[in-house]
Amino acid sequence: DGGITQSPKYLFRKEGQNVTLSCEQNLNHDAMYWYRQDPGQGLRLIYYSQIVNDFQKGDIAEGYSVSREKKESFPLTVTSAQKNPTAFYLCASSTGEGRPGELFFGEGSRLTVL
Amino acid sequence: AQSVAQPEDQVNVAEGNPLTVKCTYSVSGNPYLFWYVQYPNRGLQFLLKYITGDNLVKGSYGFEAEFNKSQTSFHLKKPSALVSDSALYFCAVRDTGFQKLVFGTGTRLLVSP
Repeated sequence: DGGITQSPKYLFRKEGQNVTLSCEQNLNHDAMYWYRQDPGQGLRLIYYSQIVNDFQKGDIAEGYSVSREKKESFPLTVTSAQKNPTAFYLCASSTGEGRPGELFFGEGSRLTVL
Repeated sequence: AQSVAQPEDQVNVAEGNPLTVKCTYSVSGNPYLFWYVQYPNRGLQFLLKYITGDNLVKGSYGFEAEFNKSQTSFHLKKPSALVSDSALYFCAVRDTGFQKLVFGTGTRLLVSP
């Protein structure tokens, strides 16, 4: 079945450590996104990529980094510079062709900083 | 900048009754509007969208939404609620340029038996 796979589902990190969240899709979608979800704040866009080897900052990119070396993969690194990293992170993808704005989401990764 | 507002943090409804989850929008140009649903500790699922055409849009699981240009609203509705509809609902608008979506803060729907 086609879809988006995020891993790990739960992750604990000590302060000062970098962590990388994995996002893989087999939908053959060009565009991929990372959102952060906090209670009462909805979803906020961290980074997005329209095509391989290209990505843009979203609204809250500080303290995060991404890469897009393959069409299928869009990993997110939460660096030690991120002041409040505890959150639920959602990866999504879209094709755009004929279905503008329809995002397909992964199951999310919950990061807790100890 | 494009934005959406969901004025209710939570909506409570009894099973079998009609439900409405409210959303208002602020956009420049023609709006592309969406509703998504999220079950606990899961990703979001697409419900329906308005791009153009009929103001009443039908989507998944019996949900529909009414686009009202004069009131800049895009309320989500269902004629008869189910307990299984209990979830977090997000309204979203497509940002200018690319296919970025701007999400509202979400409304928790609680359907009681």
